[in-house]
Amino acid sequence: GESVGLHLPTLSVQEGDNSIINCAYSNSASDYFIWYKQESGKGPQFIIDIRSNMDKRQGQRVTVLLNKTVKHLSLQIAATQPGDSAVYFCAENMGGSQGNLIFGKGTKLSVKP
Amino acid sequence: DTAVSQTPKYLVTQMGNDKSIKCEQNLGHDTMYWYKQDSKKFLKIMFSYNNKELIINETVPNRFSPKSPDKAHLNLHINSLELGDSAVYFCASSLVGTGEAFFGQGTRLTVV
Repeated sequence: GESVGLHLPTLSVQEGDNSIINCAYSNSASDYFIWYKQESGKGPQFIIDIRSNMDKRQGQRVTVLLNKTVKHLSLQIAATQPGDSAVYFCAENMGGSQGNLIFGKGTKLSVKP
Repeated sequence: DTAVSQTPKYLVTQMGNDKSIKCEQNLGHDTMYWYKQDSKKFLKIMFSYNNKELIINETVPNRFSPKSPDKAHLNLHINSLELGDSAVYFCASSLVGTGEAFFGQGTRLTVV
């Protein structure tokens, strides 16, 4: 089975609120994690990444937290906007020469105006 | 100025046919991939390829074969199409040693 999974398949938030999307992974050897956003009819788009030697990384309105002890990853979106509505995937890089990504199942984020 | 482009965007075909999906990247990346996304949005890698190594996901039927005429292209050939092949197929590329993959817009394949 897949090694990366998500706790919640759907998440509905009010515009302006903060969103938290969670992800669990099972391969402790993974050294790189990425969050992707996929809008309807489009391909996944890179949001933010984090390496296993870090526990937090911030971007513009987004923060990724990594807890290696419990193999948990989260994506926090501040002041969620309607344009944030999409499916969010976490992915882990299994390493090796090809850098293949293993994706979780995805969480659909809906932002209510 | 698209970074990773796939054609066609939509493909409807009958069972038993053979079809190809083309992919090109202009990012100068050395590794390309094909992913399959099913109706539940689950993304699964099918192949990863650079000029030295092809890695095939063992769950992919041998009716699927990637072909790379050059470093910027990785086409996907599918023989004897089946109903279960209906999905959205994404091409992606990255630089070896980095994890970030850039994805194309996807090709929605419908087998009837």
